[in-house]
Amino acid sequence: KAGVTQTPRYLIKTRGQQVTLSCSPISGHRSVSWYQQTPGQGLQFLFEYFSETQRNKGNFPGRFSGRQFSNSRSEMNVSTLELGDSALYLCASSLRRGAEAFFGQGTRLTVV
Amino acid sequence: AQKVTQAQTEISVVEKEDVTLDCVYETRDTTYYLFWYKQPPSGELVFLIRRNSFDEQNEISGRYSWNFQKSTSSFNFTITASQVVDSAVYFCALIYTGTASKLTFGTGTRLQVTL
Repeated sequence: KAGVTQTPRYLIKTRGQQVTLSCSPISGHRSVSWYQQTPGQGLQFLFEYFSETQRNKGNFPGRFSGRQFSNSRSEMNVSTLELGDSALYLCASSLRRGAEAFFGQGTRLTVV
Repeated sequence: AQKVTQAQTEISVVEKEDVTLDCVYETRDTTYYLFWYKQPPSGELVFLIRRNSFDEQNEISGRYSWNFQKSTSSFNFTITASQVVDSAVYFCALIYTGTASKLTFGTGTRLQVTL
């Protein structure tokens, strides 16, 4: 069974640009969550999607958005990039709420 | 509010030593789930264990064991006879039923196992 796949693995963007990250969950998993990991703030929850609906959102500005498609694949978008958005973005999928989440390898975003 | 505290920032041991990683959590919910994840240098978070709040049985899986004590709000993780491949950052995390899929992570403990 294939794991969670995130693309791209690495990205370098310039301040002010926007970026879209993609996540394909484990087959059969309908819940997809996104996390941001930075040395200063650690692992922080961005949002969760289930059956194409956002069910939970963390404390991030509106520049961070996401969506989920009917095949459970998810994308997150960050607009007007800032230097502080440089981070490892991790996607996780789970079978149901409260179940163990399985993570992808992450997308490392560098904003210059 | 939910909170997970991993007071040990970094631990260094020599191979074959036993090591315990501490985790203390706070939640007002009576139903919650606790997790441990391992993050090797590649970056991916690897799931190790899930425990629900009603199951205080300790668990052993190979060289890994977990001690869950509700009385002290702790969920400690022990690696027996550590190996170099155990070197990683280990995260303890909590989900409570209010936000179901949102993991609240501790700050992680970096474990360095040397020969």
